[in-house]
Amino acid sequence: GENVEQHPSTLSVQEGDSAVIKCTYSDSASNYFPWYKQELGKGPQLIIDIRSNVGEKKDQRIAVTLNKTAKHFSLHITETQPEDSAVYFCAASSSDKLIFGTGTRLQVFP
Amino acid sequence: DVKVTQSSRYLVKRTGEKVFLECVQDMDHENMFWYRQDPGLGLRLIYFSYDVKMKEKGDIPEGYSVSREKKERFSLILESASTNQTSMYLCASSFGSSSNQPQHFGDGTRLSIL
Repeated sequence: GENVEQHPSTLSVQEGDSAVIKCTYSDSASNYFPWYKQELGKGPQLIIDIRSNVGEKKDQRIAVTLNKTAKHFSLHITETQPEDSAVYFCAASSSDKLIFGTGTRLQVFP
Repeated sequence: DVKVTQSSRYLVKRTGEKVFLECVQDMDHENMFWYRQDPGLGLRLIYFSYDVKMKEKGDIPEGYSVSREKKERFSLILESASTNQTSMYLCASSFGSSSNQPQHFGDGTRLSIL
């Protein structure tokens, strides 16, 4: 079955710097890759997603890139702000479900 | 906006009890999911349902069952609670009949089994 690995598990950056979180997947049939942000005491919220017919997608300060050949995808956050501090999860579709990575705790220091 | 509501934010139960976790969504989504979230393990799928009275096992179904009598409601049942089921439980819903749609999550139920 599908396996999704996510790195790093923790990431600390200075406000204004960029943050990059990487995920790899194993199922070559996967074609949908969402990213979720989970703030303390809340459920995960979808922040951006990409489908396999696209290599990159941007939404203001966040972007996702997908390399189908290498089976990896990445989340890029530019000009980080303290409110970006949260746990981020990647996921990949596999037959009839999503398989999630183990999460990255991002801390943005003022 | 999609709203997924989980009936309890915090729940404390005793070993051996039968426990019900309830989830309701208001967007007429076909699909509903139950996950548990544990530190370092991410989100693991327990059960999911693509239609009323339908259920499918996820990756860790042992010790759990589910019920979907109405489209908007999906219940997770711990038949005989054990301490290793202490966890955060997340419900989600999505539109359509495949895994290629965004899932919308509730805020979770933190369950402690004593």
